[in-house]
Amino acid sequence: EDQVTQSPEALRLQEGESSSLNCSYTVSGLRGLFWYRQDPGKGPEFLFTLYSAGEEKEKERLKATLTKKESFLHITAPKPEDSATYLCAVRDMNRDDKIIFGKGTRLHILP
Amino acid sequence: DVKVTQSSRYLVKRTGEKVFLECVQDMDHENMFWYRQDPGLGLRLIYFSYDVKMKEKGDIPEGYSVSREKKERFSLILESASTNQTSMYLCASIPPQGALTFGSGTRLTVV
Repeated sequence: EDQVTQSPEALRLQEGESSSLNCSYTVSGLRGLFWYRQDPGKGPEFLFTLYSAGEEKEKERLKATLTKKESFLHITAPKPEDSATYLCAVRDMNRDDKIIFGKGTRLHILP
Repeated sequence: DVKVTQSSRYLVKRTGEKVFLECVQDMDHENMFWYRQDPGLGLRLIYFSYDVKMKEKGDIPEGYSVSREKKERFSLILESASTNQTSMYLCASIPPQGALTFGSGTRLTVV
């Protein structure tokens, strides 16, 4: 069965303390892995798409990486405004492009 | 940029009412989706549509129906609202190759 598991469920960091969020997945045919940011009471906001192992994408303090089994979202020197829930999702080309979401990581950056 | 617009940010309805949630996208995407999001359960797919007048059940379709009369518009209908349908509802659309773009969400409370 296709699965997407995110860890940790919640993470509290001091401002400037770098860390990584993990997304492990099992799908038969990866068409893409997606990272989203979601603020409370709002819809998810698209961050990155990764398509193949070894690929990396960067945006400001965020960098996403992909291997054959997992993806990491690295946060470098975070600021309080980076506090949000980060969602990972995968698109399975062998299951009619079904999109499967993880349950997210709640990130809180303390000033 | 793709824009997905949900007609209401907040709704309060009474048990037994028929509820319509409207969603419009402006990028001519064929594929549109309705999710609900609840704490601890993540995003769950209710219904999706691959084209006008076409609809497919997602993981939790019970108690819901949908309508897609025009390509840009995808409506979610709660035939007889119940308190267990209190949730955040998210509409999304996606191009053939790419990521979901979400609307800002509708927080529905059924009393």
